[in-house]
Amino acid sequence: DVQMTQSPSSLSASVGDRVIITCRAGQTIRKYFHWYQQKPGSGPKLLIYDVSTLQAGVPSRFSGSESGTDFTLTISSLQPEDFATYYCQQSYINPPTFGPGTTVEMK
Amino acid sequence: QVQLQESGPGLVKPSQTLSLTCTVSGGSISSTSHYWTWIRQPAGTALEWIGRVYTDGSTNYNPSLQSRVTISLDTSKNQFSLKLTSVTAADTALYYCASHGGNAAFDIWGQGTMVTVSS
Repeated sequence: DVQMTQSPSSLSASVGDRVIITCRAGQTIRKYFHWYQQKPGSGPKLLIYDVSTLQAGVPSRFSGSESGTDFTLTISSLQPEDFATYYCQQSYINPPTFGPGTTVEMK
Repeated sequence: QVQLQESGPGLVKPSQTLSLTCTVSGGSISSTSHYWTWIRQPAGTALEWIGRVYTDGSTNYNPSLQSRVTISLDTSKNQFSLKLTSVTAADTALYYCASHGGNAAFDIWGQGTMVTVSS
C-alpha cells in the first residue's frame, strides 16, 4: 500500500491566519491526489481533487499544490468554519489510501 | 443531489458477519461511471478503503480484507451493501459509504454508522 504521511498532526491557528498542511506520498502518485475536510459527526467532504482542482462550492481560499511526492493544502485566510480535520488521499495505486489527518484547532 | 445513508446493526458479536446497507437517494445507483464504495475509520486511526462495486456489479477489494468482504448492488432498492465475515474487535469502526467517479476522489459520503464488535 502507498503510505501517506501528514504534517503537522495538529495545529492551532486564529481566524485570518494562513494555514499550510503538507502530505507526503510514499511513492509517485502522479495527479491522483485529493484533500478532504471532516467535521465531528459528518463524513469527510471533498475539497480538492487531482492535486489542485477545487470541488464545486469550495471557497477559493483553499488551494492545493504539489512538488514531486509532496503535496500542500493552503488556506489563505482561515475562517471560523474551517476548524476541522483535513485528510489527504491517493487514488493512483490500489488500494486507495489516506493520510492520518491534520486537526486545525482554534488558538 | 445524490445522498447516501448507511444502516445496519451497531453491535456485532465476534466471529459473526457484519452487514451494512447504503441507500442512495436523489439519483440512480445504476448511473454510469459511478463506483459505490465502503470506507471505515477505527477510532484514532486513518480512514481505510474496504472496497467498491461498479454499476455493472464488478468489484474490487482491499487485499487486507479481500478474503472476508463482499460488496454488492441491489438496483431494485437503489442500495448497495457490505458483508464482512468472521469479525473481531479490530473491525470496530465508523463505517462510511461513499461514491466516486473515474479519478477515485470520493465526492459523496454518508454520515457514517458506528459498528462495535463485542460479545
